[in-house]
Amino acid sequence: DAMVIQNPRYQVTQFGKPVTLSCSQTLNHNVMYWYQQKSSQAPKLLFHYYDKDFNNEADTPDNFQSRRPNTSFCFLDIRSPGLGDAAMYLCATSRDMGKQFFGPGTRLTVL
Amino acid sequence: AQSVTQLGSHVSVSEGALVLLRCNYSSSVPPYLFWYVQYPNQGLQLLLKYTSAATLVKGINGFEAEFKKSETSFHLTKPSAHMSDAAEYFCAVSDRLGGSEKLVFGKGTKLTVNP
Repeated sequence: DAMVIQNPRYQVTQFGKPVTLSCSQTLNHNVMYWYQQKSSQAPKLLFHYYDKDFNNEADTPDNFQSRRPNTSFCFLDIRSPGLGDAAMYLCATSRDMGKQFFGPGTRLTVL
Repeated sequence: AQSVTQLGSHVSVSEGALVLLRCNYSSSVPPYLFWYVQYPNQGLQLLLKYTSAATLVKGINGFEAEFKKSETSFHLTKPSAHMSDAAEYFCAVSDRLGGSEKLVFGKGTKLTVNP
């Protein structure tokens, strides 16, 4: 089945230690999104790629970066995680203005 | 900017009872509106989407929502709750980003279904 895959599902890192979260898709969608969802809060868009074009939300901290080496993969890099970055990170894909398909998420714990 | 407000962070119903989850939107243009469901430790699954084709939108799992422009509302309903409906529900409005779509989510409503 075509789908959005996120690895790992659970990630533990130490305060200040860089961490990378991975998202891959078999849907061949041209748009990929990263959302941050803190406990009991709504998902918040961090950034998205429209094809190769990177679009950062105005309030996304500089600590968060993203890479999209090809259509299928997108990475979220957190350069120096703080305790406040502990959250569920959701990847989603869409074809242009179409329906967004979400992955299962990666739950990040910062010790 | 587009926004949605979900009234009630927690809703509890008995199995077999009507489910009503409330969502009001704010939009300067005709909106695209969505309801998503999230089960524990999982991603979001689209229940239904309003794109101005019809005011009553039917979704998956027996859910439907009615767009009411006069009330700026898009409430989600299901006639008879099932235990498997227990989850968190998010209303969202679409904000266009060129050729792609930014979703602005409400704060969510956690639905509990009691036996």
